[in-house]
Amino acid sequence: DAGVIQSPRHEVTEMGQEVTLRCKPISGHNSLFWYRQTMMRGLELLIYFNNNVPIDDSGMPEDRFSAKMPNASFSTLKIQPSEPRDSAVYFCASSYQAADTQYFGPGTRLTVL
Amino acid sequence: SQQGEEDPQALSIQEGENATMNCSYKTSINNLQWYRQNSGRGLVHLILIRSNEREKHSGRLRVTLDTSKKSSSLLITASRAADTASYFCATPGGSNYKLTFGKGTLLTVNP
Repeated sequence: DAGVIQSPRHEVTEMGQEVTLRCKPISGHNSLFWYRQTMMRGLELLIYFNNNVPIDDSGMPEDRFSAKMPNASFSTLKIQPSEPRDSAVYFCASSYQAADTQYFGPGTRLTVL
Repeated sequence: SQQGEEDPQALSIQEGENATMNCSYKTSINNLQWYRQNSGRGLVHLILIRSNEREKHSGRLRVTLDTSKKSSSLLITASRAADTASYFCATPGGSNYKLTFGKGTLLTVNP
């Protein structure tokens, strides 16, 4: 198995632009998680899906952030409009069930200028 | 709210020494997990210990769990420079049983 796949690996954009991050979870996993990691705040859970349904989005910072999971093999995290304070590494992770071992992707390093 | 918290925040040792990191949590759990993160990479699962287990081994890793004290420890024996990384504990928390990660311990192993 290729593991969790994320794209792009690096993204540099200007303030106000729309950013879309993509994730392909491990086949057969029912839970998918989006995290954000910064030096100041550490690893923060943004949203998690179970069977493609958003279960907990309490970590989504504000309305500028949205996430979708149209099918079991694909999820997106969108930021519109982006701001410099959104600069961080965004990780996607998947697991068979919510409290099981999570498998992380390599992350997307986002820089908003 | 933060479920697991690691201690210390940073640890620096010499190659060959043992490294011990601790994790405290607040509510009852059915398992506790440890992860490693190398700089610039995603987290990698190391070991899972269930609430009915007191100790678990995996190679040079030894994890203990004390549910009465709501704490766990991760011991890395005979450390190597390649063990340099951040180590996180994670526990299922909240009504949805999703994992919550602590802030991590940054371990530096000097050659």
